Amino acid sequence: IAGITQAPTSQILAAGRRMTLRCTQDMRHNAMYWYRQDLGLGLRLIHYSNTAGTTGKGEVPDGYSVSRANTDDFPLTLASAVPSQTSVYFCASSDGQTGELFFGEGSRLTVL
Amino acid sequence: GQNIDQPTEMTATEGAIVQINCTYQTSGFNGLFWYQQHAGEAPTFLSYNVLDGLEEKGRFSSFLSRSKGYSYLLLKELQMKDSASYLCAVFDSNYQLIWGAGTKLIIKP
Repeated sequence: IAGITQAPTSQILAAGRRMTLRCTQDMRHNAMYWYRQDLGLGLRLIHYSNTAGTTGKGEVPDGYSVSRANTDDFPLTLASAVPSQTSVYFCASSDGQTGELFFGEGSRLTVL
Repeated sequence: GQNIDQPTEMTATEGAIVQINCTYQTSGFNGLFWYQQHAGEAPTFLSYNVLDGLEEKGRFSSFLSRSKGYSYLLLKELQMKDSASYLCAVFDSNYQLIWGAGTKLIIKP
């Protein structure tokens, strides 16, 4: 089934540890995004990529990094996790034409 | 600053009609989206409005008034499976999506 795959779906992590959330899409979409979703807040954009080889900072980029080596993959790395990064993380992609976003199932991250 | 307001929570009865409002103040406007998100799941696309007026899609309709910075999502013939959060999002002048916090809709039998 075509779509976006995120891994892991859930993870508990000690503060200070490094963590990479993986995101792969098979729809050949140019644009990809990482959001975090916290209770009572809207989806907040962390980083985005309009096309392979380019990335940009969103609303809340501090403490996170991304890379876009090819069209399909867009990993999100927390270099040194902190408890405030406890959240649900969604990867999304867009064909850039309609603006519609297609979301992965989410990765629930708990930093202790 | 940019802001999207929608009610935090609404309750409605199965079989009834409910209207979820969204008001926005953004730097420019290039379209408004509604997404549905069931608890523990990813958001899924419901509708997109870029021109004023009503867009109907089955039991769901979405309305936009750009001059008032206002949209609503209308759900008819409510079913228990419609219990979810409904997210309003606006494309600003830079085609950045600005998201509301979502409206949790509770359907009662």
